[in-house]
Amino acid sequence: EVQLVQSGAEVKKPGESLKISCKGSGYSFTSYWIGWVRQMPGKGLEWMGIIYPGDSDTRYSPSFQGQVTISADKSISTAYLQWSSLKASDTAMYYCVKGGILTGFDYWGQGTLVTVSS
Amino acid sequence: QSVLTQPPSASGTPGQRVTISCSGSSSNIGSNYVYWYQQLPGTAPKLLIYRNNQRPSGVPDRFSGSKSGTSASLAISGLRSEDEADYYCAAWDDSLSVHVVFGGGTKLTVL
Repeated sequence: EVQLVQSGAEVKKPGESLKISCKGSGYSFTSYWIGWVRQMPGKGLEWMGIIYPGDSDTRYSPSFQGQVTISADKSISTAYLQWSSLKASDTAMYYCVKGGILTGFDYWGQGTLVTVSS
Repeated sequence: QSVLTQPPSASGTPGQRVTISCSGSSSNIGSNYVYWYQQLPGTAPKLLIYRNNQRPSGVPDRFSGSKSGTSASLAISGLRSEDEADYYCAAWDDSLSVHVVFGGGTKLTVL
């Protein structure tokens, strides 16, 4: 069974750093893109970027370029999304997704809620 | 402001047929596949339609997708109360670098 399991909810202060994770199982982790999607409270879905764990090819949405870093460790089938200095406006639910052009994003993680508040 | 344009809301009564539109441009819908996602309240989104009109296994055939030019639509026939959810269209966009764009979402209410 394909699963994407994300790390748990986080509460951070502005200026702090954070790295959240997404562990894939039940499929060949290195053969499919993993993307990240943001959903701010009460709002729609926003595309952040994507990584191909097979060769670490990474693409960012222009809106998120320079704001976050996407990485992956194929040895443990895990993708990451990280911030070096959080802002209150980073408060949102973050989903990892698996897939690509031919399949769409066919599997979604359960989401990681990030709350940034002083 | 989302790159793809959807109506913010739609509604229908049980058994009715409802359509949700999604409008884009030549760099996204006009030249790439369209996908639709359903987000039930308090849950992660789920893939409903891929490659314009394909249903993943387990998605009822009450859901169908179509695309024409730079627009797409999702149709739901035989509307059921459990279809009440937010629906998002998405497409890859070639304008700057390869990335994905979403519609703003349509909240479907079953009256």
